[in-house]
Amino acid sequence: EPEVTQTPSHQVTQMGQEVILRCVPISNHLYFYWYRQILGQKVEFLVSFYNNEISEKSEIFDDQFSVERPDGSNFTLKIRSTKLEDSAMYFCASSLQNQPQHFGDGTRLSIL
Amino acid sequence: AQKITQTQPGMFVQEKEAVTLDCTYDTSDPSYGLFWYKQPSSGEMIFLIYQGSYDQQNATEGRYSLNFQKARKSANLVISASQLGDSAMYFCAMRDPGGGADGLTFGKGTHLIIQP
Repeated sequence: EPEVTQTPSHQVTQMGQEVILRCVPISNHLYFYWYRQILGQKVEFLVSFYNNEISEKSEIFDDQFSVERPDGSNFTLKIRSTKLEDSAMYFCASSLQNQPQHFGDGTRLSIL
Repeated sequence: AQKITQTQPGMFVQEKEAVTLDCTYDTSDPSYGLFWYKQPSSGEMIFLIYQGSYDQQNATEGRYSLNFQKARKSANLVISASQLGDSAMYFCAMRDPGGGADGLTFGKGTHLIIQP
């Protein structure tokens, strides 16, 4: 069964550094998403992406964040000037229109 | 604004018993979708079941069923014949399907522990 893949599984970064989280969505899916889950808390929506542009973004997704689909398969989340509170599990998801979103296994981001 | 409420932070259930996980939602949109996801201790998010607001019948997927009561704005997950492997966090989520790319709003989750 096709699945969403995320790399790396765990990323450790110094505060103030930039980090790029990578995702390969399911190949025929058209909609892509990033979510964040701070340890012990609920999953929070960050941004959705369709037709090579941002479709919707939450209040969390400020100028520190950006997303890109650099080629036909990858979907990336860039976090600039990382802060301690950016430490979380970051999930990528993809879907067809009006279909359930399928999540990757997540990248655990630790900011030191 | 959309809101999801899961009132059971934790539940203990005996193996082989049925379990109901509660979820209520609040939205002013007439068209929406409701989802349940399972998150084992390993951390991944596993899609379980989906219910559309206009679906006439309650959704079922194997041992999972969704008890959808639209007037009460509830979408409880029922797991029949629970197994030890069902122990996990369970999240209810909602999406307005009209836009196609709208993000999901999640509840705080229920930690389900199946006891032998």
